[in-house]
Amino acid sequence: SQQGEEDPQALSIQEGENATMNCSYKTSINNLQWYRQNSGRGLVHLILIRSNEREKHSGRLRVTLDTSKKSSSLLITASRAADTASYFCATAPGQAGTALIFGKGTTLSVSS
Amino acid sequence: EAGVAQSPRYKIIEKRQSVAFWCNPISGHATLYWYQQILGQGPKLLIQFQNNGVVDDSQLPKDRFSAERLKGVDSTLKIQPAKLEDSAVYLCASSLVGRRRNTEAFFGQGTRLTVV
Repeated sequence: SQQGEEDPQALSIQEGENATMNCSYKTSINNLQWYRQNSGRGLVHLILIRSNEREKHSGRLRVTLDTSKKSSSLLITASRAADTASYFCATAPGQAGTALIFGKGTTLSVSS
Repeated sequence: EAGVAQSPRYKIIEKRQSVAFWCNPISGHATLYWYQQILGQGPKLLIQFQNNGVVDDSQLPKDRFSAERLKGVDSTLKIQPAKLEDSAVYLCASSLVGRRRNTEAFFGQGTRLTVV
């Protein structure tokens, strides 16, 4: 079963704009991770935020986590055409060692 | 360091035929996963290994899918017989996750299976 639900399903923006994607999940988590997938390629890990963290930054990425609302957001600032990809949130359930559960993803298109 | 290796990259078979996929994880990664990704959806876990033992295979269609991880390193995933709905990308991933914490997963390029 898929726990995470990303919103929106698709997002189109211009280069230089910011892109925000949201993720909601259902059960308690150990951590939440975001992955990127370019067309026809494997998934690449972007950032991990633990359940006791509220915000995390990595380069142009900013992730927030609200465990009370069971939701997370990924902000990509100053988007580039190379950011065009599908973005997935993945939750690591509360029990350590359990496999990641992925959402359906948000498809981001950045035009120059 | 070398990434997760998968082969083949593409496979086309007829329904009711059998097919096997191979995965070599990152050296030292005790945990290995097989995910199925149908077009337009997120990856769905099929099976998780910790070394050569199965941790979770609750979503593996065991009447037709099988997987093994001999010696706790390489892994193979087999489908026999294949159905049209098995058309998907099969992703292998590995991680350092153990019983005490979860870390990031490293994915291979995947095998795109088309069943006709």
